[in-house]
Amino acid sequence: EVELVESGGGLVQPGGSLRLSCAASGFTFSSYEMNWFRQAPGKGLEWVSYISGSGNTKYYADSVKGRFTLSRDNANNSLYLQMNSLRVEDTAVYYCARDYDVIHFWGQGTLVAVSS
Amino acid sequence: EIVMTQSPATLSVSPGARATLSCRASQSVNSNLAWYQQKPGQAPRLLVYGASLRASGIPARFSGSGSGTEFTLTISSLQSEDFAVYYCQQYNDWPPLTFGGGTKVELK
Repeated sequence: EVELVESGGGLVQPGGSLRLSCAASGFTFSSYEMNWFRQAPGKGLEWVSYISGSGNTKYYADSVKGRFTLSRDNANNSLYLQMNSLRVEDTAVYYCARDYDVIHFWGQGTLVAVSS
Repeated sequence: EIVMTQSPATLSVSPGARATLSCRASQSVNSNLAWYQQKPGQAPRLLVYGASLRASGIPARFSGSGSGTEFTLTISSLQSEDFAVYYCQQYNDWPPLTFGGGTKVELK
């Protein structure tokens, strides 16, 4: 059974940093592209970032480019989202998701709250 | 960036009735369109991809149609568990992947 478990969310001040993790199981992690999405409170879904199975190709939304860095550790079946220079508008539930463009599997999400 | 627009924002439907949700793309996305269902406090769930292909385990009462810029998700006979928010997403031209603003299907 495919399972994606996010961790690392929490409350942080504007300008601060957080590192989100996603632990994957139930599939051959290195064979799958992965994405992060987010959802601000009461709002819709927003794509954040993509990484290829090898980790060599990455894409970022304009809203996070230059501040967020996506990486993966295929040996440990883990995905990481390093978030720097956080802004109030980054407040959201962040979802780890498997697959390239049609997302068949989602984690349950981790809440990131940016506030002073 | 391709902008996705969903209508209506809220749809009030009685159990057993038919629900028709619309999604429009700002430019053609061919058939590269997916629909997701999201319930409060839960992650999205894939319903349809390729505009009309049901995902694994999705009941036959959910059907998708359309191509190009106009798409529809139809729920033929609403069950209590179908009251949720529905999002369309294009994957024809990305990054970025883009979603519509959602349609909330609520109990009439």
